[in-house]
Parts: sequence; structure tokens; C-alpha cells
Amino acid sequence: DIQMTQSPSSLSASVGDRVTITCRTSQNIKNYLNWYQQKPGKAPKLLISAASSLQSGVPSRFSGSGYGTDFTLTISSLQPEDFATYYCQQSYFTTSFTFGPGTQVDMK
Amino acid sequence: QLQLQQSGPGLVKPSETLSLTCTVSGGSISSNGLYWGWIRQPPGKGLEWIGSMYYSGSTYYNPSLKSRVTISLDSSKNQFSLKVRSVTAADTAVYYCARHIFDSSNLFDYWGEGMLVTVSS
Repeated sequence: DIQMTQSPSSLSASVGDRVTITCRTSQNIKNYLNWYQQKPGKAPKLLISAASSLQSGVPSRFSGSGYGTDFTLTISSLQPEDFATYYCQQSYFTTSFTFGPGTQVDMK
Repeated sequence: QLQLQQSGPGLVKPSETLSLTCTVSGGSISSNGLYWGWIRQPPGKGLEWIGSMYYSGSTYYNPSLKSRVTISLDSSKNQFSLKVRSVTAADTAVYYCARHIFDSSNLFDYWGEGMLVTVSS
């Protein structure tokens, strides 16, 4: 089974900060990696697909990169509405669409 | 705008069957290339994909749940459903239905609001 890790598991940041979240997989998934944002009590929202493709309507301060086993989600200038938990999800192995454990971003 | 509305009991007894339904509006569940899936999230924990189904009947299940899970689809009602048999407290979670783009991206782009299902006697 593919294993997924995210680091850090949580972070504290201020409005305007640059935030970087890392997702690592135990096997090569090329660029088959999606990112979601989840706010408390809400369903996850798709931010980025195929490692770096920003979904329509998602602010350009969000960006994704990576290939193989190492991926990053970057928020270039954190806004108040960005405080949330972020999950990566691998889409390469169709036997199970695994999510990462999540990274909680809260206010410093 | 596609919307997914979930329904079902919020409390299920241990050893019984959990049943949830997701009604889709603003689009057809019989559209080509679209799967319909279920994802769950235990309280305070991460997301777990349960399974996905295509209107033709093709289904994919999480191997860890496959023996207890059935996803079905009713095109006439534009609904799809989840059944989890022989539930235990470990099945307590918020259950989400979602549209699953089953191609190279394999992403979940529209989600229901989520429903907390508690397994307790």
C-alpha cells in the first residue's frame, strides 16, 4: 500500500506569511497528486490537481509543485480565510485513493 | 451548479447496517466519465476514501472496507447510496458524498455537506 505523509502536521502563521506544506509518498506517483482545503465543519474543497494545476476560482496565491514522491503546496501570502487544514491525495493508484494525514494552519 | 444533498440516519446500532443516500441536482449522475464516491472522516481525524461507482455499474472500493461496503446508483432518482454492514464504533464518522472525476486526475470536485453518523447502542 502507498503511504503518505505531510509535514508539518500543524503550523502557526500570520497574515501575509508565506506558507509551505510538504506531502511525501512512499511510491512514485508522477504528478498524480491533488490538494484540498478543509475548514471546520465543512466539506473539503479542491484547490489543485495534477500537482500544479490550479482549480477555477482558487486564488493565485495558492500554488503546487512536485513530481515523483515529493510535493509542495505554497500559499504566497496567507490571508485570514486560508486558516484551515490542507490534505494531499494521490490519484495514481486506483486501488485506493489515499489522502495524506493533513496539515492544520492556524493563526499565530 | 451541481449540488449533492445527503440523507440518512445519524445514529446506527453496532452490528447493524449504515445506509446513506446522496441526491444530485444540477447535473445527471449518468454523465459520461463521472463516478460518484463516498469519503468518510472520523471525528478529529483525516479523510478516508470508501469507494466510487460509475452509472454503468463499475465500482471501486477501498480494500480495507470492501467486504462490508456496497455502493449503488439509481439513475431514475439521480441518487447514489452507501451501505456499510456490521458497523462498529470505528465506523463513527462524518460521511461525505462527492463527484469523482475518474480519469488521470482522479479528483473529487463537488462534495455533499457531510453527515455525522454515530455508531452506538
